[in-house]
Amino acid sequence: TAGITQAPTSQILAAGRSMTLRCTQDMRHNAMYWYRQDLGLGLRLIHYSNTAGTTGKGEVPDGYSVSRANTDDFPLTLASAVPSQTSVYFCASSDNGNQPQHFGDGTRLSIL
Amino acid sequence: RKEVEQDPGPFNVPEGATVAFNCTYSNSASQSFFWYRQDCRKEPKLLMSVYSSGNEDGRFTAQLNRASQYISLLIRDSKLSDSATYLCVVKRGTDKLIFGTGTRLQVFP
Repeated sequence: TAGITQAPTSQILAAGRSMTLRCTQDMRHNAMYWYRQDLGLGLRLIHYSNTAGTTGKGEVPDGYSVSRANTDDFPLTLASAVPSQTSVYFCASSDNGNQPQHFGDGTRLSIL
Repeated sequence: RKEVEQDPGPFNVPEGATVAFNCTYSNSASQSFFWYRQDCRKEPKLLMSVYSSGNEDGRFTAQLNRASQYISLLIRDSKLSDSATYLCVVKRGTDKLIFGTGTRLQVFP
């Protein structure tokens, strides 16, 4: 079973470059989320989408954008990467906002 | 002050031991509570939801104390495979999840 698929698994990126992290789920979940996880800070919400066509800002949205053109895909874009965006990024989904979230395997991103 | 606070550990316990983690939350409007498990360099996975009356799943027992605003997780008969980081997670109504930074457990032979 696929569940949630993130790509790439890891990436090294030069500062100033743009990058899109991909997230696809096959569970037909309405809600999707992007988190970053940094040592000592835990998981922090970047952006979320409660349903296709809508998005919202989380706790740390600056420097990131998302889109939700359909139910399955929720890409995260860094328009101009900076070293402070070095992190592990997790995509998650849930059937609705009241259900537990299921996470993808994560993307390790290093900005140099 | 963080909205969800956990002792980072590590808790080092022998196989077969019983270990308990506590987590406190600051927002009294919090309504849903979960424990997630995260293995090193892996994604978080739901371990169990926490209900007001307390709930048990095999060797794992979760308790909620709304008056004191804390959640606990008890693991009995610890296994080597229980070694992981345990994340306390809180949700306010339809708001997003708030994650604690996790408590690391290391079970040794």
